[in-house]
Amino acid sequence: EPEVTQTPSHQVTQMGQEVILRCVPISNHLYFYWYRQILGQKVEFLVSFYNNEISEKSEIFDDQFSVERPDGSNFTLKIRSTKLEDSAMYFCASRHQGAAQPQHFGDGTRLSIL
Amino acid sequence: KQEVTQIPAALSVPEGENLVLNCSFTDSAIYNLQWFRQDPGKGLTSLLLIQSSQREQTSGRLNASLDKSSGRSTLYIAASQPGDSATYLCAVFSGGSNYKLTFGKGTLLTVNP
Repeated sequence: EPEVTQTPSHQVTQMGQEVILRCVPISNHLYFYWYRQILGQKVEFLVSFYNNEISEKSEIFDDQFSVERPDGSNFTLKIRSTKLEDSAMYFCASRHQGAAQPQHFGDGTRLSIL
Repeated sequence: KQEVTQIPAALSVPEGENLVLNCSFTDSAIYNLQWFRQDPGKGLTSLLLIQSSQREQTSGRLNASLDKSSGRSTLYIAASQPGDSATYLCAVFSGGSNYKLTFGKGTLLTVNP
């Protein structure tokens, strides 16, 4: 069964450094998402992406964050200047067209900011 | 703004027991509701998806119900096993023209052998 893959599984970065989290969504999916989960807290929506542009972003997704689909398969989340509070598990998800379709999640990238 | 609440926050049961996990949401204008399982430090595994027009969905020992008008869903687990121990998350898909999932905080289930 096709799945969403995320790399790396764990990223350790110094505060202030840039980090890029990578995702390969399911190949025929059209909608892409990033969510994050701070330890012990809810999974929170960050951004949705469709037709090569951002559909919606949350208040968390400020100017330090950006997303890109550089080719036909990858979907990336970049954090320009990381802060301690960016430490979290970041999940990528994708779904097929149609609001009735489920979102499929990757296993996540654990980001640790030192 | 959509809010999702899950009760109880934690549940510990002996093996073999049937159990119910509860989820409520504030805005009934949803497209669907998903139940996920999350093992410690791991990703999200989708268990069941209920469309807004459906009342329930079943998969093996799992049965999820949805009462959209009252903003409630339940996940019923029959004959629980130690391998069912995990955090169970409820999430609703809503948002008008820009849909997204809004998650509850989850119920931490422990099934004791």
